[in-house]
Amino acid sequence: QSVLTQPPSLSGAPGQRVTISCTGSSSNIGAGYDVHWYQQLPGTAPKVLIYDNNNRPSGVPDRFSGSKSGTSASLAITGLQAEDEAEYYCQSYDNSLSGVVFGGGTKLTVL
Amino acid sequence: QLVESGGGLVQPGGSLRLSCAASGFTVNTDYMSWVRQAPGKGLEWVSVIYTGGSTYYADSVKGRFTISRDNSKNTLYLQMNSLRAEDTAVYYCARADFDSSGYYYFDHWGQGTLVTVSS
Repeated sequence: QSVLTQPPSLSGAPGQRVTISCTGSSSNIGAGYDVHWYQQLPGTAPKVLIYDNNNRPSGVPDRFSGSKSGTSASLAITGLQAEDEAEYYCQSYDNSLSGVVFGGGTKLTVL
Repeated sequence: QLVESGGGLVQPGGSLRLSCAASGFTVNTDYMSWVRQAPGKGLEWVSVIYTGGSTYYADSVKGRFTISRDNSKNTLYLQMNSLRAEDTAVYYCARADFDSSGYYYFDHWGQGTLVTVSS
């Protein structure tokens, strides 16, 4: 069981908006630690998509956005495209484990 | 760029040392980490080494794995001892950048190296 909880799968049609949730607790997201999001295309290494809750590295389209509130965070993808089909992971820090923690991952399917 | 090597097949109880050669930045001026991914599973943080040399480990590998670096070779290492079947995974080397809450995220990743623990 992952410390951060994500839905295992989601799907959406091209052009739609989808939101991936990441639920933590008072020892990680709720303690004020930042949340980061990664995209992993099949057979490749993860790539950072959102850092510090809502910042995009250069080169990441503005269709991707992040937010955080209380013990949860969300990744929103608007104008869904076929190339967005991938696995998405959230990441934060947990002070009871004294280490970085990841969500279990969400497989996004573009219909 | 980060390039891992050293993965392979090892028997339970055996040892393996992974290497991660860095270019474009120096391993002793950045936080460096190992993250693994078991086949068909999610990401799991393994270990980190800070610029000052402090090291931290996930509970699942504490006492068995050792992270280190060679500044002269600009290379990060992961010495893995007493390997178990559940250590089977792709091991990624990653550079960690500071986040605004005082910890870090991973902004550069290697391509990964597969470690298989099986008899």
